[in-house]
Amino acid sequence: SSELTQDPAVSVALGQTVRITCQGDSLRTHYVSWYQQKTGQAPVLVIYAKSNRPSGIPDRFSGSGAGDIASLTIAGAQAEDEADYYCNSRDSSGNHSYVFGSGTKVTVL
Amino acid sequence: QVQLQESGPGLVKPSQTLSLTCTVSGVSISSGSYYWSWIRQPAGKGLEWIGLIYTSGSANYNPSLKSRVTMSLDTSKNQFSLKMRSVTAADTAVYYCARINWNLIHYYYYYYMDVWGKGTTVTVSS
Repeated sequence: SSELTQDPAVSVALGQTVRITCQGDSLRTHYVSWYQQKTGQAPVLVIYAKSNRPSGIPDRFSGSGAGDIASLTIAGAQAEDEADYYCNSRDSSGNHSYVFGSGTKVTVL
Repeated sequence: QVQLQESGPGLVKPSQTLSLTCTVSGVSISSGSYYWSWIRQPAGKGLEWIGLIYTSGSANYNPSLKSRVTMSLDTSKNQFSLKMRSVTAADTAVYYCARINWNLIHYYYYYYMDVWGKGTTVTVSS
């Protein structure tokens, strides 16, 4: 089955920009979605189909990518953005299954 | 407003069967526009996709769990369920149910989990 690789942790100064990456073969053929998970809470969708924001998600969150790499960018990070972020896509095996990235802990300094 | 709520025993003995139900409100699970999924997360670890069920009742599972997992629908109650057999301590986790939404863009389908339950903690211990 496919794997999605993320950096374990990244830090960003308040108000600065941070980019989180996700790498995997499945991203060549399937769109990525991104989820924010704060401590003790369920994940929340922040980006779908690589670059689309659901209603209610601040426009400082954006997504991009090409080939086997996808990125989530937080422009002007706020204290409330401190969370774990997971990428997700369909598996590239041909079955309708899914795979999550290992997650990136974002710390806002 | 669509909501999902997990329910089931919080404690299961090793080798027994874990059974969870997700109750859906605000949308019919019979709607062909969505699929329904289970995801779990051991304490301090990442998310693991368990499986999904279509409105037809057929299901796809994570290959690593396929031999122990069964999902089902109860359209009369607007619920879907998860059963996991022969559990061990490694199955201790927070279990989430989620809705998979999908659409078509530029001739490609895309999928995403747009609504999640709050999660329920299951501990496997004697």
